[in-house]
Amino acid sequence: DAGVIQSPRHEVTEMGQEVTLRCKPISGHNSLFWYRQTMMRGLELLIYFNNNVPIDDSGMPEDRFSAKMPNASFSTLKIQPSEPRDSAVYFCASSGSSGGPIRDTQYFGPGTRLTVL
Amino acid sequence: AQTVTQSQPEMSVQEAETVTLSCTYDTSESDYYLFWYKQPPSRQMILVIRQEAYKQQNATENRFSVNFQKAAKSFSLKISDSQLGDAAMYFCAYRSAYTGTASKLTFGTGTRLQVTL
Repeated sequence: DAGVIQSPRHEVTEMGQEVTLRCKPISGHNSLFWYRQTMMRGLELLIYFNNNVPIDDSGMPEDRFSAKMPNASFSTLKIQPSEPRDSAVYFCASSGSSGGPIRDTQYFGPGTRLTVL
Repeated sequence: AQTVTQSQPEMSVQEAETVTLSCTYDTSESDYYLFWYKQPPSRQMILVIRQEAYKQQNATENRFSVNFQKAAKSFSLKISDSQLGDAAMYFCAYRSAYTGTASKLTFGTGTRLQVTL
């Protein structure tokens, strides 16, 4: 079975540009999470969805960040406009009782390394 | 709010030896899950082992085992017969069991493990 798929794997952009990160969760999973990893703040949750509905977006740093989950197999995280301090690795993870070898465990994608110049 | 503390920023172990990574957490909940994730240089977050708080038996996965002390809120990871491929950043994580699959992970700051010949 395919794991969590993220694209792109690397993104380099200039300050002010729009950035869109994409995630395909494991088939059958009903929860999806976006995390950000930086040296200063470690791993922090940005937002998570359950059954395509945003449950908690309190980790989204500011209005420049938005996330959507239009269906059970796709989610996007958008930054508009991007700033150098947004440079980080962004992970998508999914979990669900109906998929994966271990129930209720979050499985991570490979991450997107974002660099904003 | 729950917190996870990893007090060892770096650890080193010789190949074939045993090493223990420490993790403590703070919570007022009685039912939760604890995890150890491994992050090698590839940045992929890989699940190593998981423990359910209501189970008294310590989880084991091949060379990896945990020492779960619920009263002390301690969750250490023991790696036996260390291999060069074990070199990575190890993160301890907590997840509440009360909200089903839609529950975020709270991570510690990580322990970097070096494996020497």
